[in-house]
Amino acid sequence: AQRVTQPEKLLSVFKGAPVELKCNYSYSGSPELFWYVQYSRQRLQLLLRHISRESIKGFTADLNKGETSFHLKKPFAQEEDSAMYYCALCLPLYNQGGKLIFGQGTELSVKP
Amino acid sequence: NAGVTQTPKFRVLKTGQSMTLLCAQDMNHEYMYWYRQDPGMGLRLIHYSVGEGTTAKGEVPDGYNVSRLKKQNFLLGLESAAPSQTSVYFCATKQDSSSYNSPLHFGNGTRLTVT
Repeated sequence: AQRVTQPEKLLSVFKGAPVELKCNYSYSGSPELFWYVQYSRQRLQLLLRHISRESIKGFTADLNKGETSFHLKKPFAQEEDSAMYYCALCLPLYNQGGKLIFGQGTELSVKP
Repeated sequence: NAGVTQTPKFRVLKTGQSMTLLCAQDMNHEYMYWYRQDPGMGLRLIHYSVGEGTTAKGEVPDGYNVSRLKKQNFLLGLESAAPSQTSVYFCATKQDSSSYNSPLHFGNGTRLTVT
């Protein structure tokens, strides 16, 4: 079965500290993974996707197929990073219209 | 270019009442989705559409109906609201079928409370 797991509901760090938001997935095919961010009561926004291997707002994520993980990292957290973060697995279009399967979300709180 | 627009933004219903949530997009996207967001459960797919005139069930379709009469609009209906349908509802769209890993674009959400 396809599944995305984010084991931490809440992650609290101080400004300037490193951050790692964990994401593990279960999928038999070749995974297409995304990280979305939701600032307080706003829409979900794409943060990054593994296929582009880019760094957005200082965040990076590497796909580790051996560990079936796609952890999100940032070396120095900023207060404006405080938000809800969702890891998501994209299915092929023939499978429920290419929907995203979301993890439960991790709330990141960056304290001054 | 508004992207994905959801109306209304907030609504309070009494048990048994009905309502329709509207999602409108101006990006000419083929794929549209309705998700509900609940604490500790992430987002779960209610219904989706792969094109005008087509709809299909997602993970949690019970109690909801949808219609896609026009490409730009995707309506979510609650015929007889229940307290379990208290949630935040998000509409999302995706580009054409040439790239299944293209990202979803989300609306601002509709916060629904059923008392």
